[in-house]
Amino acid sequence: AAGVIQSPRHLIKEKRETATLKCYPIPRHDTVYWYQQGPGQDPQFLISFYEKMQSDKGSIPDRFSAQQFSDYHSELNMSSLELGDSALYFCASSFGNSPLHFGNGTRLTVT
Amino acid sequence: AQSVSQHNHHVILSEAASLELGCNYSYGGTVNLFWYVQYPGQHLQLLLKYFSGDPLVKGIKGFEAEFIKSKFSFNLRKPSVQWSDTAEYFCAGLSGAGSYQLTFGKGTKLSVIP
Repeated sequence: AAGVIQSPRHLIKEKRETATLKCYPIPRHDTVYWYQQGPGQDPQFLISFYEKMQSDKGSIPDRFSAQQFSDYHSELNMSSLELGDSALYFCASSFGNSPLHFGNGTRLTVT
Repeated sequence: AQSVSQHNHHVILSEAASLELGCNYSYGGTVNLFWYVQYPGQHLQLLLKYFSGDPLVKGIKGFEAEFIKSKFSFNLRKPSVQWSDTAEYFCAGLSGAGSYQLTFGKGTKLSVIP
């Protein structure tokens, strides 16, 4: 069965650079969530989209933006990267009130 | 391929019953293991994590999990559940071998009946 696909798997950037993370939800899932998890920390909800519209916003910095496209994939754009942005970013998708399905995550390392 | 399996899709318990949710993983090398919880209408929270050291890990809200390497298991336990524990529980593993691949189980829905 198709799963949630995230790319890239691992990304290394320098400070002040820009990064774009992609998430492809399970077909027919209408909601995408983005989470950030620092080493040993709780996952922080960043943002979610329902039917291509932002549905909820969490602790997403102003330097970050995200959108969901017509094919329901979502991209998280991160600018002016800081060392503290180094984390695991994972996305999840769902349909209605169905359980979340998770991607494998993108490990971002900012040097 | 790395995988995480949660064998219980839906568990129904009465309050004060003991809980054990199964999680099995297949990884080579170093692995970090997590249990997450999603309460109804809320976002994901980290219950507990295992990186190394004491295989019995204690988390928030009275939950604990034991890493048993020989059984490739990381089962979640709580001696006495409450109605407020009704939620979806996810086990996940993170390979520390450089691939940084995070793999979630399919989740177990826990319903606690008052």
